[in-house]
Amino acid sequence: EAQVTQNPRYLITVTGKKLTVTCSQNMNHEYMSWYRQDPGLGLRQIYYSMNVEVTDKGDVPEGYKVSRKEKRNFPLILESPSPNQTSLYFCASSYLSSAGSTGELFFGEGSRLTVL
Amino acid sequence: QKEVEQDPGPLSVPEGAIVSLNCTYSNSAFQYFMWYRQYSRKGPELLMYTYSSGNKEDGRFTAQVDKSSKYISLFIRDSQPSDSATYLCAMSEGATDSWGKLQFGAGTQVVVTP
Repeated sequence: EAQVTQNPRYLITVTGKKLTVTCSQNMNHEYMSWYRQDPGLGLRQIYYSMNVEVTDKGDVPEGYKVSRKEKRNFPLILESPSPNQTSLYFCASSYLSSAGSTGELFFGEGSRLTVL
Repeated sequence: QKEVEQDPGPLSVPEGAIVSLNCTYSNSAFQYFMWYRQYSRKGPELLMYTYSSGNKEDGRFTAQVDKSSKYISLFIRDSQPSDSATYLCAMSEGATDSWGKLQFGAGTQVVVTP
């Protein structure tokens, strides 16, 4: 089954304790991205990657790190989480094919993070 | 000011009614317009995709784009309780490497009551 898998789905942590949210896709997609979703603000992009070893900042990258060592995996790292990073996080992936692609993003089921 | 504005709702309608959703945007370079549907506790999934201006129909769903007014709409005919979800508009300037710069609206929560 084609899917984007995120873990953990739910996490409560404390300020300053490093954590990693994993994301894996089995569709051989070149493009992967992380979003956070907050009430009234919608989906905001944190980081994205066009291919292995290629990453770039989105709209709200502060306090986050990513890496893309393998095509299928794109972990999100919070080195020193703070309460304002409490949010619902989504990983997404897509093809970057030539003209004709709809650019459809395939999303994971989300990871709800609470930072106390 | 956000690039994409969308009324968050909630929008409550009786079963069988027409649901009308819309987004306005400020970036005249947007050419690709999408609607995603997000059920509670799930990730968004692509519902409709439109390039440039015009209408597109898919079953009970119709997407309209008016680039002159910078306004897009989604209509759901004969709404069902299973249509209860949050609907997010999204748009992009171009294809391929521009997918990385999709701009999303805040999403409108729709509740269809039996």
